Amino acid sequence: QPTLTQPPSVSGAPGQMVTISCTGRYSTAGYDIHWYQQFPGTAPKLLIYGNNNRPSGVPDRFSGSRSGTSASLAISGLQAEDEADYYCQSYDNSLSGHVVFGGGTKLTV
Amino acid sequence: QVVESGGGLVQPGGSLRLSCAGSGFPFGRYAMSWFRQAPGKGLEWVGLIRSEDYGGTIDYAASVTGRFTISRDDSKSIATLQMNRLETDDTAVYYCAKGAGGTYRGFSWFDPWGQGALVTVSS
Repeated sequence: QPTLTQPPSVSGAPGQMVTISCTGRYSTAGYDIHWYQQFPGTAPKLLIYGNNNRPSGVPDRFSGSRSGTSASLAISGLQAEDEADYYCQSYDNSLSGHVVFGGGTKLTV
Repeated sequence: QVVESGGGLVQPGGSLRLSCAGSGFPFGRYAMSWFRQAPGKGLEWVGLIRSEDYGGTIDYAASVTGRFTISRDDSKSIATLQMNRLETDDTAVYYCAKGAGGTYRGFSWFDPWGQGALVTVSS
């Protein structure tokens, strides 16, 4: 089981807002959460870093938040091209190497 | 950017080596990490090599420890993943990515990612 828990799927209509949750455990508490977007057959792309920061080029429709051992990715003004898989990533101080991912969430628009 | 090469078909018990070439950034100053994604599955971290500023030390996921080896040649801006004693469960697309700094910390992310290299382990 992934250290970070995400819902397997979410859906929303164009123009609506959806949120994707990412829940960790005590060993991930206090560490930053990052989000990646992946389209079928392509590499993951950094979407949000440091809980709520957008790399250059990422629309402000995408936003992140963090509270305790949980985090959320919000996507407002849904567009058809947002349909993709979304993964959260963080640091787990109980594991060698420390890199952990959520299981991924499939967004259907 | 980073670009992987070296994927292919290999029999169980065989070996394969993947390369990751970095460009457009000071390669030697950054940690480089390998990930994989089995068909229809999520992302899995494989291992990470720190920059020489942090001793060039390496961490591996438990699933590959003792079978996979990560190295780097900063003079050529290349990171390498040597995979030995491959198993059918190692079948996946393998990605390399640049770390956010010379090591991996509680705030670290990975960007950019390469396009991926498909490794198929089958008889």
